[in-house]
Amino acid sequence: DAKTTQPTSMDCAEGRAANLPCNHSTISGNEYVYWYRQIHSQGPQYIIHGLKNNETNEMASLIITEDRKSSTLILPHATLRDTAVYYCIVRVDPAAGNKLTFGGGTRVLVKP
Amino acid sequence: NAGVTQTPKFRVLKTGQSMTLLCAQDMNHEYMYWYRQDPGMGLRLIHYSVGEGTTAKGEVPDGYNVSRLKKQNFLLGLESAAPSQTSVYFCATADASYEQYFGPGTRLTVT
Repeated sequence: DAKTTQPTSMDCAEGRAANLPCNHSTISGNEYVYWYRQIHSQGPQYIIHGLKNNETNEMASLIITEDRKSSTLILPHATLRDTAVYYCIVRVDPAAGNKLTFGGGTRVLVKP
Repeated sequence: NAGVTQTPKFRVLKTGQSMTLLCAQDMNHEYMYWYRQDPGMGLRLIHYSVGEGTTAKGEVPDGYNVSRLKKQNFLLGLESAAPSQTSVYFCATADASYEQYFGPGTRLTVT
């Protein structure tokens, strides 16, 4: 699976959009981009995933560049409850054992 | 539905003691996983199972054993606990789709 690079931490203002970047320059054509988040002390939670088209659900939007070497997770109106560690994961689908490999993630602090 | 539950929530062991962590799910998922998370780090996969009666090693399997005798349960065993196994342990389940569902975690301290 391709390796990802994310900023260690970032702050954003409550009510504003939070844009979380992820670099995956070695991604292969059959690898998907996944985002999970982990709110303090809890188990990770799935957010969204995509292959090459932009995706949107009730939680977030995922923008993948045309060359697929990077992506951005957008939380449209950040709330204090969005404070968490966000993990960008690249994986082949279907993956052997449906496994995920977590990196260090981005620690996002939403401030009032 | 309870989803994914883990037992116990907290445990303190002395070096050399053994214990078993239980993960139970009521979602009828085929895949189950055990991860550990050390402070400030991402999750690392210990062992996983793709179905009842099967297990496979993950990234950091040494010092742990697992069993999946029933589809709904995945057990993680520590035969002789070491301080390096102090961590938070998360269980997760998945079906054939893209999403893993995580339990609340077990905080284990080995002194």
